[in-house]
Amino acid sequence: KNQVEQSPQSLIILEGKNCTLQCNYTVSPFSNLRWYKQDTGRGPVSLTIMTFSENTKSNGRYTATLDADTKQSSLHITASQLSDSASYICVVSASNNDMRFGAGTRLTVKP
Amino acid sequence: KAGVTQTPRYLIKTRGQQVTLSCSPISGHRSVSWYQQTPGQGLQFLFEYFSETQRNKGNFPGRFSGRQFSNSRSEMNVSTLELGDSALYLCASSLESENAYEQYFGPGTRLTVT
Repeated sequence: KNQVEQSPQSLIILEGKNCTLQCNYTVSPFSNLRWYKQDTGRGPVSLTIMTFSENTKSNGRYTATLDADTKQSSLHITASQLSDSASYICVVSASNNDMRFGAGTRLTVKP
Repeated sequence: KAGVTQTPRYLIKTRGQQVTLSCSPISGHRSVSWYQQTPGQGLQFLFEYFSETQRNKGNFPGRFSGRQFSNSRSEMNVSTLELGDSALYLCASSLESENAYEQYFGPGTRLTVT
């Protein structure tokens, strides 16, 4: 069964600190993995998209990694800012266009 | 370029009524997908339209339907509303239907069923 699991469910960090969010999946056959940031009350915004051959991709202070062998991805946020407070959603697509969404990690950055 | 727009932004309906939500994709985008987001279930895929044809469908009852017009604008309809239909309904557009293309989400329509 195609699944996407994210951890932790929620996370609180202090401004300026780094953090790493995890995404494990069983989606097969794998096509791509995306990370989205969703502010409260708004639609998700794409951070990164990675295909099978890519194992790291950066977007400013956000760096996503992908290990297609272990079916794991992580999103690393460097030097967090208050505006990073949001939900981060991992989405994995199969080759047949089946998309599976993780439940998200709720990140709170405190001053 | 204008982003994805959704109307209305907020809506309150009573059980048994029906509702129609509208989505205007980014200019030039031909694929429109609809999602339901609730605190308990997270984001769930409803359906995708491409060139006025439904290409993919999620696991939702027939009360949920949609269509796409020749200008790529899309509407979603929910009939015989239930309390559990209260959710944020998100629309996303992309250039083409294949999932390799970037999806751009609208701000969503917050539907409350009382």
